[in-house]
Amino acid sequence: RKEVEQDPGPFNVPEGATVAFNCTYSNSASQSFFWYRQDCRKEPKLLMSVYSSGNEDGRFTAQLNRASQYISLLIRDSKLSDSATYLCVVITSGTYKYIFGTGTRLKVLA
Amino acid sequence: EAGVAQSPRYKIIEKRQSVAFWCNPISGHATLYWYQQILGQGPKLLIQFQNNGVVDDSQLPKDRFSAERLKGVDSTLKIQPAKLEDSAVYLCASSFTSGSAGELFFGEGSRLTVL
Repeated sequence: RKEVEQDPGPFNVPEGATVAFNCTYSNSASQSFFWYRQDCRKEPKLLMSVYSSGNEDGRFTAQLNRASQYISLLIRDSKLSDSATYLCVVITSGTYKYIFGTGTRLKVLA
Repeated sequence: EAGVAQSPRYKIIEKRQSVAFWCNPISGHATLYWYQQILGQGPKLLIQFQNNGVVDDSQLPKDRFSAERLKGVDSTLKIQPAKLEDSAVYLCASSFTSGSAGELFFGEGSRLTVL
Protein backbone atom coordinates (compact mmCIF):
# COMPACT_ATOMS: atom_id res chain seq x y z
CA ARG A 1 0.00 0.00 0.00
CA LYS A 2 1.30 3.46 -0.87
CA GLU A 3 2.02 5.83 2.00
CA VAL A 4 -0.09 8.57 0.43
CA GLU A 5 -2.88 7.85 -2.04
CA GLN A 6 -4.89 10.16 -4.24
CA ASP A 7 -7.38 9.72 -7.07
CA PRO A 8 -5.37 10.87 -10.11
CA GLY A 9 -8.49 12.19 -11.90
CA PRO A 10 -8.80 14.14 -14.08
CA PHE A 11 -11.68 16.00 -12.52
CA ASN A 12 -13.33 18.07 -15.24
CA VAL A 13 -15.63 20.71 -13.76
CA PRO A 14 -17.34 23.82 -15.14
CA GLU A 15 -16.39 27.27 -13.97
CA GLY A 16 -18.12 28.16 -10.73
CA ALA A 17 -18.46 24.58 -9.57
CA THR A 18 -17.40 23.24 -6.20
CA VAL A 19 -14.97 20.34 -6.26
CA ALA A 20 -13.42 18.25 -3.51
CA PHE A 21 -10.39 15.98 -3.41
CA ASN A 22 -9.46 13.44 -0.80
CA CYS A 23 -6.12 11.99 0.12
CA THR A 24 -5.52 9.01 2.39
CA TYR A 25 -2.34 8.22 4.29
CA SER A 26 -1.24 4.93 5.78
CA ASN A 27 1.07 5.96 8.62
CA SER A 28 -0.87 6.82 11.76
CA ALA A 29 2.24 8.61 13.08
CA SER A 30 1.91 11.22 10.34
CA GLN A 31 2.01 14.65 11.88
CA SER A 32 1.99 17.43 9.31
CA PHE A 33 -0.12 17.74 6.19
CA PHE A 34 -0.09 20.05 3.21
CA TRP A 35 -1.62 20.63 -0.19
CA TYR A 36 0.74 21.67 -2.96
CA ARG A 37 -0.25 22.86 -6.40
CA GLN A 38 1.67 21.99 -9.54
CA ASP A 39 1.02 23.65 -12.86
CA CYS A 40 1.90 21.85 -16.08
CA ARG A 41 5.68 21.57 -16.50
CA LYS A 42 6.29 23.69 -13.39
CA GLU A 43 7.54 22.91 -9.91
CA PRO A 44 5.16 22.23 -6.99
CA LYS A 45 4.28 25.18 -4.79
CA LEU A 46 2.64 25.28 -1.39
CA LEU A 47 -1.09 25.90 -1.57
CA MET A 48 -1.94 25.53 2.10
CA SER A 49 -1.15 23.69 5.29
CA VAL A 50 -3.79 21.45 6.82
CA TYR A 51 -4.53 21.92 10.50
CA SER A 52 -6.39 19.60 12.84
CA SER A 53 -9.19 22.13 13.25
CA GLY A 54 -9.49 22.66 9.52
CA ASN A 55 -8.56 25.87 7.76
CA GLU A 56 -9.78 28.11 5.02
CA ASP A 57 -8.02 30.42 2.61
CA GLY A 58 -10.43 32.27 0.37
CA ARG A 59 -12.15 29.72 -1.86
CA PHE A 60 -10.03 26.86 -0.53
CA THR A 61 -10.83 24.78 2.55
CA ALA A 62 -8.64 21.99 3.91
CA GLN A 63 -9.66 19.46 6.51
CA LEU A 64 -7.98 16.64 8.38
CA ASN A 65 -9.64 13.48 9.68
CA ARG A 66 -7.11 11.67 11.85
CA ALA A 67 -9.46 8.83 12.78
CA SER A 68 -9.96 7.85 9.14
CA GLN A 69 -6.49 9.02 8.09
CA TYR A 70 -7.44 11.32 5.27
CA ILE A 71 -7.22 14.95 4.35
CA SER A 72 -9.43 16.84 1.97
CA LEU A 73 -9.33 19.95 -0.17
CA LEU A 74 -12.49 21.80 -1.18
CA ILE A 75 -12.43 24.43 -3.90
CA ARG A 76 -15.48 26.65 -4.21
CA ASP A 77 -16.42 28.79 -7.21
CA SER A 78 -13.78 27.17 -9.44
CA LYS A 79 -11.83 29.44 -11.78
CA LEU A 80 -10.11 28.53 -15.04
CA SER A 81 -6.85 29.40 -13.29
CA ASP A 82 -7.45 26.64 -10.73
CA SER A 83 -6.65 24.07 -13.43
CA ALA A 84 -3.58 22.25 -12.12
CA THR A 85 -2.49 19.11 -10.30
CA TYR A 86 -3.07 19.12 -6.55
CA LEU A 87 -0.54 17.15 -4.54
CA CYS A 88 -1.19 15.85 -1.06
CA VAL A 89 1.89 15.90 1.20
CA VAL A 90 2.35 14.08 4.50
CA ILE A 91 5.19 14.25 7.02
CA THR A 92 5.80 11.57 9.60
CA SER A 93 6.29 12.65 13.19
CA GLY A 94 9.92 13.23 14.13
CA THR A 95 11.15 13.58 10.56
CA TYR A 96 11.20 16.24 7.90
CA LYS A 97 10.51 13.69 5.19
CA TYR A 98 7.86 15.10 2.84
CA ILE A 99 5.95 12.28 1.15
CA PHE A 100 3.91 13.24 -1.90
CA GLY A 101 0.84 11.58 -3.33
CA THR A 102 0.44 10.99 -7.04
CA GLY A 103 -1.59 14.17 -7.39
CA THR A 104 -5.12 14.86 -8.56
CA ARG A 105 -5.50 16.63 -11.84
CA LEU A 106 -8.18 19.31 -12.07
CA LYS A 107 -9.46 20.89 -15.27
CA VAL A 108 -11.86 23.77 -14.96
CA LEU A 109 -13.83 24.23 -18.16
CA ALA A 110 -15.26 27.47 -19.54
CA GLU B 1 15.11 36.51 -2.03
CA ALA B 2 16.70 34.11 -4.51
CA GLY B 3 14.95 30.78 -4.91
CA VAL B 4 16.34 27.28 -5.35
CA ALA B 5 18.61 27.18 -8.37
CA GLN B 6 19.09 24.08 -10.50
CA SER B 7 21.05 23.25 -13.61
CA PRO B 8 20.92 22.12 -16.28
CA ARG B 9 17.23 22.65 -17.08
CA TYR B 10 17.27 20.02 -19.80
CA LYS B 11 19.54 17.11 -20.59
CA ILE B 12 19.32 14.41 -23.24
CA ILE B 13 21.67 11.43 -23.01
CA GLU B 14 21.86 7.90 -24.28
CA LYS B 15 21.43 4.94 -21.98
CA ARG B 16 24.58 3.91 -20.13
CA GLN B 17 25.93 7.46 -20.23
CA SER B 18 26.34 9.53 -17.09
CA VAL B 19 24.77 12.82 -16.03
CA ALA B 20 25.06 15.21 -13.10
CA PHE B 21 22.61 17.75 -11.76
CA TRP B 22 23.46 20.68 -9.55
CA CYS B 23 21.36 22.44 -6.92
CA ASN B 24 21.89 25.58 -4.86
CA PRO B 25 19.27 25.87 -2.10
CA ILE B 26 17.85 29.00 -0.55
CA SER B 27 20.40 30.64 1.72
CA GLY B 28 20.05 29.46 5.30
CA HIS B 29 18.04 26.34 4.49
CA ALA B 30 19.67 23.45 6.27
CA THR B 31 17.56 20.70 4.71
CA LEU B 32 17.92 19.79 1.05
CA TYR B 33 15.98 17.18 -0.89
CA TRP B 34 16.25 15.54 -4.28
CA TYR B 35 13.03 14.22 -5.78
CA GLN B 36 12.40 12.27 -8.97
CA GLN B 37 9.16 13.01 -10.75
CA ILE B 38 8.15 10.69 -13.57
CA LEU B 39 5.44 11.96 -15.92
CA GLY B 40 2.00 11.51 -14.40
CA GLN B 41 3.32 10.72 -10.94
CA GLY B 42 4.00 12.66 -7.78
CA PRO B 43 7.54 13.55 -6.69
CA LYS B 44 9.39 10.60 -5.18
CA LEU B 45 12.00 11.36 -2.53
CA LEU B 46 15.46 10.12 -3.49
CA ILE B 47 17.61 11.62 -0.77
CA GLN B 48 17.36 14.09 2.10
CA PHE B 49 20.28 16.03 3.57
CA GLN B 50 20.44 17.90 6.85
CA ASN B 51 23.39 20.27 6.43
CA ASN B 52 25.94 17.96 4.81
CA GLY B 53 24.74 14.73 6.39
CA VAL B 54 22.36 12.21 4.80
CA VAL B 55 19.11 11.82 6.73
CA ASP B 56 17.30 9.46 4.37
CA ASP B 57 18.42 7.76 1.16
CA SER B 58 16.25 4.67 1.40
CA GLN B 59 14.79 5.12 -2.09
CA LEU B 60 17.99 6.10 -3.85
CA PRO B 61 19.10 3.37 -6.32
CA LYS B 62 22.62 3.34 -4.98
CA ASP B 63 24.00 1.09 -7.71
CA ARG B 64 23.64 3.97 -10.17
CA PHE B 65 22.68 7.12 -8.28
CA SER B 66 24.87 9.13 -5.95
CA ALA B 67 24.48 12.49 -4.28
CA GLU B 68 26.59 14.72 -2.15
CA ARG B 69 26.26 18.00 -0.37
CA LEU B 70 29.68 19.35 0.38
CA LYS B 71 29.95 22.14 2.96
CA GLY B 72 26.24 21.90 3.64
CA VAL B 73 25.22 24.20 0.79
CA ASP B 74 25.27 23.11 -2.88
CA SER B 75 24.39 19.58 -3.86
CA THR B 76 25.07 17.35 -6.83
CA LEU B 77 23.05 14.34 -7.96
CA LYS B 78 24.76 11.92 -10.34
CA ILE B 79 23.43 9.04 -12.40
CA GLN B 80 25.88 6.53 -13.83
CA PRO B 81 25.04 4.58 -15.92
CA ALA B 82 21.64 5.94 -16.92
CA LYS B 83 18.74 3.69 -17.86
CA LEU B 84 15.68 4.46 -19.96
CA GLU B 85 13.50 4.45 -16.85
CA ASP B 86 15.54 7.31 -15.37
CA SER B 87 13.80 9.71 -17.76
CA ALA B 88 12.13 12.13 -15.38
CA VAL B 89 12.29 15.58 -13.88
CA TYR B 90 14.74 15.82 -11.01
CA LEU B 91 13.54 18.36 -8.50
CA CYS B 92 15.68 19.88 -5.81
CA ALA B 93 13.95 21.40 -2.79
CA SER B 94 15.02 23.06 0.42
CA SER B 95 13.38 24.03 3.66
CA PHE B 96 14.18 25.93 6.82
CA THR B 97 13.43 23.39 9.49
CA SER B 98 13.25 24.55 13.08
CA GLY B 99 10.99 22.58 15.37
CA SER B 100 8.20 22.02 12.91
CA ALA B 101 8.10 21.24 9.20
CA GLY B 102 8.10 24.41 7.15
CA GLU B 103 7.34 25.16 3.53
CA LEU B 104 9.25 23.18 0.95
CA PHE B 105 10.65 25.37 -1.82
CA PHE B 106 11.40 23.73 -5.16
CA GLY B 107 13.70 24.63 -7.99
CA GLU B 108 12.42 24.57 -11.56
CA GLY B 109 13.78 21.06 -12.03
CA SER B 110 16.15 19.32 -14.40
CA ARG B 111 14.37 17.39 -17.12
CA LEU B 112 16.27 14.27 -18.15
CA THR B 113 15.55 12.27 -21.27
CA VAL B 114 17.41 8.97 -21.68
CA LEU B 115 17.37 7.54 -25.22
